[in-house]
Amino acid sequence: KNQVEQSPQSLIILEGKNCTLQCNYTVSPFSNLRWYKQDTGRGPVSLTIMTFSENTKSNGRYTATLDADTKQSSLHITASQLSDSASYICVVSDYGNNRLAFGKGNQVVVIP
Amino acid sequence: DAGVTQSPTHLIKTRGQQVTLRCSPISGHKSVSWYQQVLGQGPQFIFQYYEKEERGRGNFPDRFSARQFPNYSSELNVNALLLGDSALYLCASSLPGEDTQYFGPGTRLTVL
Repeated sequence: KNQVEQSPQSLIILEGKNCTLQCNYTVSPFSNLRWYKQDTGRGPVSLTIMTFSENTKSNGRYTATLDADTKQSSLHITASQLSDSASYICVVSDYGNNRLAFGKGNQVVVIP
Repeated sequence: DAGVTQSPTHLIKTRGQQVTLRCSPISGHKSVSWYQQVLGQGPQFIFQYYEKEERGRGNFPDRFSARQFPNYSSELNVNALLLGDSALYLCASSLPGEDTQYFGPGTRLTVL
C-alpha cells in the first residue's frame, strides 16, 4: 500500500521565523512529488513539483527538497508570514498506477 | 483565467438524503477527479473521469457515483447520506497527458 507520512502534524511558529516540514513516502515506482498549500476550507494550491531527478525547487519563500534514494522530502518556509498559516500537503505520484497519494498535511499556524 | 469552479459552496443535508455536487474544470482540461477530505485529513480519491469515461475509482461504496458531460463538467452524486459523509468535497482538473491537478475551492457538505 502506498503511503505518505508527514511530520510534524502541526506546529506554531512566530512571524518572521523559519520552519521545515517533512514528508516520507513509500510510493514506488515514483513519478513526482508535489507540495500543496491549503487554506482552511479552500482547495489545495500547488507550491512546487519535483521529479526524481530534482533535488531542490523554490517558489518564493518556499523551498522544497527531495531525496529520492531515502524517499524523503522537506518544505522549508523562510521568514514566515501570517498568511503562511495553512495546511501543507505532500502528494506523491505513483508512476505505475498514475494515482496520487496524499499525506494528511502539516498544519502550520503563524502567530504575530 | 477562471479556475476550477464548484457548486454549491456549502450544503446541509440530513441522513438518508441524496446530494449532487457540481464541478466545472479549467477550459481545455478534459480530466476531472473527485476527492473527499474529512477535517484534519488529506484528500481521499473517489473518482477520475477522462473524456466522459471513468478512469479510476477509490475505495468508496456504491452510494457514490459520478459522471462527466460532453463539456467536461462533472457531477458527484451521493445517495443515502450518512453522518460520516460530512466533508469537504474537492474537484480537480488536469490537462491531457499531465498529472498536475488544479483544485477547485470545494463543496462543504454537512450531514445532520
